Amino acid sequence: AQTVTQSQPEMSVQEAETVTLSCTYDTSESNYYLFWYKQPPSRQMILVIRQEAYKQQNATENRFSVNFQKAAKSFSLKISDSQLGDTAMYFCAFMGNNAGNMLTFGGGTRLMVKP
Amino acid sequence: DVKVTQSSRYLVKRTGEKVFLECVQDMDHENMFWYRQDPGLGLRLIYFSYDVKMKEKGDIPEGYSVSREKKERFSLILESASTNQTSMYLCASSPPTAMGPTDTQYFGPGTRLTVL
Repeated sequence: AQTVTQSQPEMSVQEAETVTLSCTYDTSESNYYLFWYKQPPSRQMILVIRQEAYKQQNATENRFSVNFQKAAKSFSLKISDSQLGDTAMYFCAFMGNNAGNMLTFGGGTRLMVKP
Repeated sequence: DVKVTQSSRYLVKRTGEKVFLECVQDMDHENMFWYRQDPGLGLRLIYFSYDVKMKEKGDIPEGYSVSREKKERFSLILESASTNQTSMYLCASSPPTAMGPTDTQYFGPGTRLTVL
């Protein structure tokens, strides 16, 4: 079974600065997908970014980028130029090459962006 | 845009009551999921369904059942609610396995259930 670990329960960052959220996972599969989801306070969970394990290039989406280290089984999220609207719970998730698109989630990191 | 809706945002029930949580998606997705979200534990899968009338147990199915009579609707049932089922419940849907660029899960707003 896969496990996903987020070692930082809470983090804070000043507006306009950069912050990195950590995620490690454990799997015996060679082909899989990794995701970061964002859950703003009292709002719906949305996908931030995804990474295919077979791609060496790190995924980027505007101010969000990942540092994917396959050998180390590490998948961190970097948020550049942090904005107040980035305040949210962030969940790292793993999807193996399985039927049904099932996800295994980490425990989450609560990020607060301070003005 | 995919829309996943859940019947209630907040729900308060008594111990022993039968509780129904409903989820509806409008994107004709085959797969639907029920999670519970607890602080520090992230999201844990309760049940999922990959087709009408089909269901599979997730990681924590005890005390729960599900129903999927129509493709767009997936219900979570607490047969006899207990205080340890107080939690946030999230529903999600996704296309079938294809690993395409849009193959991810889309989430509803959640139902915060309190069992007294």
